Amino acid sequence: KAGVTQTPRYLIKTRGQQVTLSCSPISGHRSVSWYQQTPGQGLQFLFEYFSETQRNKGNFPGRFSGRQFSNSRSEMNVSTLELGDSALYLCASAGGLATPQYFGPGTRLTVT
Amino acid sequence: AQTVTQSQPEMSVQEAETVTLSCTYDTSESDYYLFWYKQPPSRQMILVIRQEAYKQQNATENRFSVNFQKAAKSFSLKISDSQLGDAAMYFCAYRSAYGSEKLVFGKGTKLTVNP
Repeated sequence: KAGVTQTPRYLIKTRGQQVTLSCSPISGHRSVSWYQQTPGQGLQFLFEYFSETQRNKGNFPGRFSGRQFSNSRSEMNVSTLELGDSALYLCASAGGLATPQYFGPGTRLTVT
Repeated sequence: AQTVTQSQPEMSVQEAETVTLSCTYDTSESDYYLFWYKQPPSRQMILVIRQEAYKQQNATENRFSVNFQKAAKSFSLKISDSQLGDAAMYFCAYRSAYGSEKLVFGKGTKLTVNP
């Protein structure tokens, strides 16, 4: 089975712009979660989707949003980018609550 | 809220030796899952091992094993016969068994393997 894929792998944006990141889960997985990883804050949970519904949301401002499509692919969007949004954004998928999450390679976002 | 603490920011081990990485967590829940993930310089997060809280038996995956002490809320990872490829950041993570996939991560331990 193919693993979790994320596109793009690298992205450079300017403050004030918006960005959309994409995640394709492992085939058959209906749950997708997003995490932000920074040197200062470590790994922080952004949100989780299951069958197109947001099931849980982390403590991030409303500039961070996401959605999941009927084929389980997920996107996250960050509007009005700030320098502090520079991070590695990781997506993970799972086949059910009793199964572990498997991560994609991440998208490295740099905001200048 | 659940928290996960990894008290060793960095560890080193000689190739072929054994090393133990520590992790403690705090929760009021009785059922949950614990994980160790490895993140090499390539940044891909890789699952190393998982433990269900309701299982008393410690999980083992080849050279990797855990010491799960539920009462003490401790979950350490032992790597036997360390290899150069084991060098990475290791993250301990907690996940509730009740309706969410959310992982709560520790800050990580950087493991160096010396030849």
